[in-house]
Amino acid sequence: AQSVSQHNHHVILSEAASLELGCNYSYGGTVNLFWYVQYPGQHLQLLLKYFSGDPLVKGIKGFEAEFIKSKFSFNLRKPSVQWSDTAEYFCAVNAAGNTGKLIFGQGTTLQVKP
Amino acid sequence: DVKVTQSSRYLVKRTGEKVFLECVQDMDHENMFWYRQDPGLGLRLIYFSYDVKMKEKGDIPEGYSVSREKKERFSLILESASTNQTSMYLCASSGRRGNYGYTFGSGTRLTVV
Repeated sequence: AQSVSQHNHHVILSEAASLELGCNYSYGGTVNLFWYVQYPGQHLQLLLKYFSGDPLVKGIKGFEAEFIKSKFSFNLRKPSVQWSDTAEYFCAVNAAGNTGKLIFGQGTTLQVKP
Repeated sequence: DVKVTQSSRYLVKRTGEKVFLECVQDMDHENMFWYRQDPGLGLRLIYFSYDVKMKEKGDIPEGYSVSREKKERFSLILESASTNQTSMYLCASSGRRGNYGYTFGSGTRLTVV
């Protein structure tokens, strides 16, 4: 069965610090990969997604993620965080060519101090 | 603007009640999903449906059932609500293989007392 693991459950950074959130998945076949963000009191929003092609994916608000197939990883990065990035971040995986079932990681809460 | 609409934002029910959570999408999506979101556990898939009248169990189906009589509507049913079902419930929809992404509703916060 597919599973997704996010290593950091709670991250605290100061503004302008660099961010990297880890995500690993377990599935032997081709996958589609997603990062979602949930700002306080708001619904889930898509940050970025990877389906195929360039493994370095750029998303909204300066976020990017790199798919490393050999490591089954899809880590999220941002060079310089802002206070407004305070939110919960979810990595998710869908087995490409499957029914479209989307499996989420446990989530990482990011707190950015001004 | 495409939408997934969940009928209630907040709901308070008593233990033992039968509870219906409704979700409607206007994107003609084949797939619809019900997740529950709990702190530290992320989003866990309860049930999903890939076509009308079709359903598959997710990771935590116990205590829940679903109904999909029309393509645009997917209902989650708590047969006999219990306090451990107090949670945020999220509905989502997608195309057949999810390749074009998923759209989420705003969620229903259910409290069972």
